[in-house]
Amino acid sequence: DTEVTQTPKHLVMGMTNKKSLKCEQHMGHRAMYWYKQKAKKPPELMFVYSYEKLSINESVPSRFSPECPNSSLLNLHLHALQPEDSALYLCASSQAGVLYGYTFGSGTRLTVV
Amino acid sequence: SQQGEEDPQALSIQEGENATMNCSYKTSINNLQWYRQNSGRGLVHLILIRSNEREKHSGRLRVTLDTSKKSSSLLITASRAADTASYFCATDADYNQGGKLIFGQGTELSVKP
Repeated sequence: DTEVTQTPKHLVMGMTNKKSLKCEQHMGHRAMYWYKQKAKKPPELMFVYSYEKLSINESVPSRFSPECPNSSLLNLHLHALQPEDSALYLCASSQAGVLYGYTFGSGTRLTVV
Repeated sequence: SQQGEEDPQALSIQEGENATMNCSYKTSINNLQWYRQNSGRGLVHLILIRSNEREKHSGRLRVTLDTSKKSSSLLITASRAADTASYFCATDADYNQGGKLIFGQGTELSVKP
């Protein structure tokens, strides 16, 4: 299995909702990442997990809460989002951090209404 | 802030022509990577070049790296309509925290049949 699977592919949520994005990989990669991408812009790093521990938080607002339950799973819990949080959320994994290429999922298109 | 800057921002060529994209970065790196993104989808890793390498090939792709000028270029030879996509360079940073990949602004390539 050489894929990163993200679910759901599309999500529409209200500003008072709580939802979660899920990311799964079975390649034995020990680093996992959340990126946010707005239209016509590059991906922006949000969080880095290394060996299931949060190693980098790029000053992301607390309404985004990451979780890594095990080495294959990465979740992003969403609560009280704003319309400007609407974006493509990408999950990625790598064998050993930045020394190797990342494998990206196809993303979750999030719309906050 | 993004470490990599790319030019041109957009490039339109005919099928069969070569496409060259350039990337400049600001701080020292261990490696530089190139990714492709088809519209609204996840990124695909194309090639990684380490700081002690000057040139690397993969199929129709040729990447060069000049660490003295802090720049890299991606050449796609004999382009095809299927090469139409956004192309991003990415550089590594923050090794002490486990490392993170920072993406440049990207080049939007359009290959016309």
